[in-house]
Amino acid sequence: DAGVIQSPRHEVTEMGQEVTLRCKPISGHDYLFWYRQTMMRGLELLIYFNNNVPIDDSGMPEDRFSAKMPNASFSTLKIQPSEPRDSAVYFCASSLGGLAGSNEQFFGPGTRLTVL
Amino acid sequence: AQSVTQLDSQVPVFEEAPVELRCNYSSSVSVYLFWYVQYPNQGLQLLLKYLSGSTLVKGINGFEAEFNKSQTSFHLRKPSVHISDTAEYFCAVRTNAGKSTFGDGTTLTVKP
Repeated sequence: DAGVIQSPRHEVTEMGQEVTLRCKPISGHDYLFWYRQTMMRGLELLIYFNNNVPIDDSGMPEDRFSAKMPNASFSTLKIQPSEPRDSAVYFCASSLGGLAGSNEQFFGPGTRLTVL
Repeated sequence: AQSVTQLDSQVPVFEEAPVELRCNYSSSVSVYLFWYVQYPNQGLQLLLKYLSGSTLVKGINGFEAEFNKSQTSFHLRKPSVHISDTAEYFCAVRTNAGKSTFGDGTTLTVKP
């Protein structure tokens, strides 16, 4: 398997523009996580899905952020409108349940977002 | 709710010296414990995990960690570090519901 795939790897946009980050989890994994990493705030869990259903979105900073998982092989994180303080590296991760909570997360390479 | 505290943000150490990266956690429910490593410009990779059983867990690259329930700690150790161990290390807890909480990370810098 190719691992967790994220696109784009880098995104530079201007304030006010819509940004869409994409993630393809590892095939067969039933959990998907979106994280944001910054120097100031470290690694923050934004939202996670189980079997395509959002379980906890308490980490989503505000209404400008939204995430969807229309099927088991694809998820998006959208920021509309984007602001400079959204600049960060956004990671997607997936894991396999079964013994719920016992399985490691596999991280994608991240999307480095810069909002000017 | 869960929280994870990594007690040292930066740990400089000389090559071939031992190292310990400290992690304390708190949780109102049972959790599983993980250490991840992040090399520059990469995602996180699992080093080791504690699910149950023996409290001493061995991971990749010669790292090990010991779960101490009474002290709610899960410190990471390596008896002899290499230059290539220079990276950021994250301690994390995960509930049965799948929610993960990460510490702020510890930057390990191994000097020649």
